[in-house]
Amino acid sequence: DAKTTQPPSMDCAEGRAANLPCNHSTISGNEYVYWYRQIHSQGPQYIIHGLKNNETNEMASLIITEDRKSSTLILPHATLRDTAVYYCIVSGYSTLTFGKGTMLLVSP
Amino acid sequence: ETGVTQTPRHLVMGMTNKKSLKCEQHLGHNAMYWYKQSAKKPLELMFVYNFKEQTENNSVPSRFSPECPNSSHLFLHLHTLQPEDSALYLCASSEGQGHNYGYTFGSGTRLTVV
Repeated sequence: DAKTTQPPSMDCAEGRAANLPCNHSTISGNEYVYWYRQIHSQGPQYIIHGLKNNETNEMASLIITEDRKSSTLILPHATLRDTAVYYCIVSGYSTLTFGKGTMLLVSP
Repeated sequence: ETGVTQTPRHLVMGMTNKKSLKCEQHLGHNAMYWYKQSAKKPLELMFVYNFKEQTENNSVPSRFSPECPNSSHLFLHLHTLQPEDSALYLCASSEGQGHNYGYTFGSGTRLTVV
């Protein structure tokens, strides 16, 4: 699997958009970008995934650059409950491998 | 509840004990996974089962013994563990191996080895 690079931590004010970046410069053509998050002491939760096109669901939006070497997860209106570790994972069909992720702290 | 249930939620065991962790899902998924998460470390994949067959063993010591009697149940049998095995053990399932968008995780078993 291609490796990803994420900032170790980010802060966001409640109600504002949280934009979490991820670099994946060695991504292959058949590899997807997946985002999961893990709230303290719970199991990770699937958020969104994409291949080339931007994607949106009820939780978040995923913006993938045209060269697919980086992506951004957007939480449009962050709440305190969005405080968690966010994992960006690049994978084809092999089992997901989790890195250290980004610790997002949403403050009042 | 996420659809994947793990029991017990907490477990304290001595190094000479034998215990088992249980994972159950009724999502109709065919792949099940064991991950280990030690303090302040990323999740580490331990085992993968697809349609009840073990397809991955990530060089896990033999003191951890998985069992998958059917697609809905997964066990992790523990014996003669070490204190460094203390961790959060997470079970996950997905439609099939390779369906990476749909991992559903349980809440985990917090294991302490004394």
